[in-house]
Amino acid sequence: DTAVSQTPKYLVTQMGNDKSIKCEQNLGHDTMYWYKQDSKKFLKIMFSYNNKELIINETVPNRFSPKSPDKAHLNLHINSLELGDSAVYFCASSQDGTGGQETQYFGPGTRLLVL
Amino acid sequence: KNEVEQSPQNLTAQEGEFITINCSYSVGISALHWLQQHPGGGIVSLFMLSSGKKKHGRLIATINIQEKHSSLHITASHPRDSAVYICAALLDKLIFGTGTRLQVFP
Repeated sequence: DTAVSQTPKYLVTQMGNDKSIKCEQNLGHDTMYWYKQDSKKFLKIMFSYNNKELIINETVPNRFSPKSPDKAHLNLHINSLELGDSAVYFCASSQDGTGGQETQYFGPGTRLLVL
Repeated sequence: KNEVEQSPQNLTAQEGEFITINCSYSVGISALHWLQQHPGGGIVSLFMLSSGKKKHGRLIATINIQEKHSSLHITASHPRDSAVYICAALLDKLIFGTGTRLQVFP
């Protein structure tokens, strides 16, 4: 059973399009995260949600909007995609609500390529 | 300058060698994570520690809070240990190091 799943695994799209990446965890965790890994493999947090409420919102463009319909899901919607959005996006979850005091479980990543 | 620095950036080893990867951070933290990113891209959490030392199989992680330094050791390295190892320091959020790419040759 996959603990943290993301769909799609690969996403190729044109500039200006709107796309969504879905994330689901079946671990019963309270906190979920979105991370971006750039072309240099550098990871950076984008958002953190605890029990459907936004905890961390890093300086990302407001074209990125996370949505948490329930605590098992944290989807990432991106409007007006730009070339610089090309990256690998990782979803993760953890039991705690403090954003890092416990082990985080990562999804397999979504490779986004904007043409 | 990144608040979390790792060294070396790249590391090659022969199977069986003892490996050490270092992580230094410039601010006070409450915890530090070590992650492993496989060649296929998947990320696995190895350790989360706030003091002392933790061991899991051939992997050992240590942290010295006063010196703002952590190390990840791999004993009896194996080609399957080849991966990128990332440390992440917890301030108000996780701040990631730039990663150490390890290749272990048979």
